[in-house]
Amino acid sequence: DGGITQSPKYLFRKEGQNVTLSCEQNLNHDAMYWYRQDPGQGLRLIYYSQIVNDFQKGDIAEGYSVSREKKESFPLTVTSAQKNPTAFYLCATVAGGNTGELFFGEGSRLTVL
Amino acid sequence: GEDVEQSLFLSVREGDSSVINCTYTDSSSTYLYWYKQEPGAGLQLLTYIFSNMDMKQDQRLTVLLNKKDKHLSLRIADTQTGDSAIYFCAEKGGGSYIPTFGRGTSLIVHP
Repeated sequence: DGGITQSPKYLFRKEGQNVTLSCEQNLNHDAMYWYRQDPGQGLRLIYYSQIVNDFQKGDIAEGYSVSREKKESFPLTVTSAQKNPTAFYLCATVAGGNTGELFFGEGSRLTVL
Repeated sequence: GEDVEQSLFLSVREGDSSVINCTYTDSSSTYLYWYKQEPGAGLQLLTYIFSNMDMKQDQRLTVLLNKKDKHLSLRIADTQTGDSAIYFCAEKGGGSYIPTFGRGTSLIVHP
């Protein structure tokens, strides 16, 4: 089935550690996004990529890094520089055409102990 | 930057209609969306409306757009307990490919 797979679903890390969240898609969509969700805050854009080997900072990129070496994959690294990393992270892709509909993965919940 | 506002909570009785409201500031919005998020999951697109439309109906869902007042609403008829979720309003301007999301409205349906 076509879709977006995020892993792991739940992740715990100690302060000072980097962690990488995986996002894989088989929808053949060019654009991929990473959002952070906190209770009552809605979705905040971390990074986005419109095409392979290119990505742009979103509204809250500090303390995060990404890569886009393949069309199917857009991993997000939460570095130790991110001061408050505990959150729910959502990966999304965008279908081609004008409607701009987003397709979301099931999310990854990161907890820093 | 552009802004999308919606109330944080709505509580309704099962069988009643639910109306979730949203206001936005971008006068160049071309598409407006409603997404649904169930607990611990990603968002799913419920419906969208193009800015030259006033209304769109899809089974139990009715979307109303007042472009003059920059007001969007989602009406859910005969609300069921399975409709309990967070509903996000979002808009996308003509010159942007990145939508702006509201903070989400938690819909609670009680018997």
